[in-house]
Amino acid sequence: EDKVVQSPLSLVVHEGDTVTLNCSYEVTNFRSLLWYKQEKKAPTFLFMLTSSGIEKKSGRLSSILDKKELFSILNITATQTGDSAIYLCATEGGSEKLVFGKGMKLTVNP
Amino acid sequence: DTGVSQDPRHKITKRGQNVTFRCDPISEHNRLYWYRQTLGQGPEFLTYFQNEAQLEKSRLLSDRFSAERPKGSFSTLEIQRTEQGDSAMYLCASSINRDSEQYFGPGTRLTVT
Repeated sequence: EDKVVQSPLSLVVHEGDTVTLNCSYEVTNFRSLLWYKQEKKAPTFLFMLTSSGIEKKSGRLSSILDKKELFSILNITATQTGDSAIYLCATEGGSEKLVFGKGMKLTVNP
Repeated sequence: DTGVSQDPRHKITKRGQNVTFRCDPISEHNRLYWYRQTLGQGPEFLTYFQNEAQLEKSRLLSDRFSAERPKGSFSTLEIQRTEQGDSAMYLCASSINRDSEQYFGPGTRLTVT
């Protein structure tokens, strides 16, 4: 059965800190890995990764995938209080549905 | 707003009642997915459609749950004889095709008393 494990499950930082979120996975016929941000409502799409070693970047957020070691990281630099949210990692494999991790709760204090 | 929409946003019902939720995907998105999310967990897959065809149902989906997408546009999810364990956020997502990112709606929060 496909599995996605995120770590840590929660993190408290101060504004301006850099954080790294980890996601490891076991997926049959891997197709993609996705990151979402969830703030008390529906998940909003951040990144979709399909190839190893190619960093995707959007502002202060970036993500990279390692298909050999079966993990991805999401980096957030110069954190702001608005980055406080739950960050979800999900994979899509041969089953054609997203399998999510439990999520990582990030709290950024001023 | 051209995103995924869901209705209602909140539903409180008594155990044993039937409920129906609606999802309107992004226009021209062929795939539509239903997920369920409980507190402290990531969303769990329930079922999905390619146009009007329902292609997979999770074993989480008991026979009290049924979903339709009759014209390949909006979808409905019905829960019959609701139980307290059905209390959750029900999320709908859509994508253009198989290898595209899924965009989520705001969800319907169901509370069964």
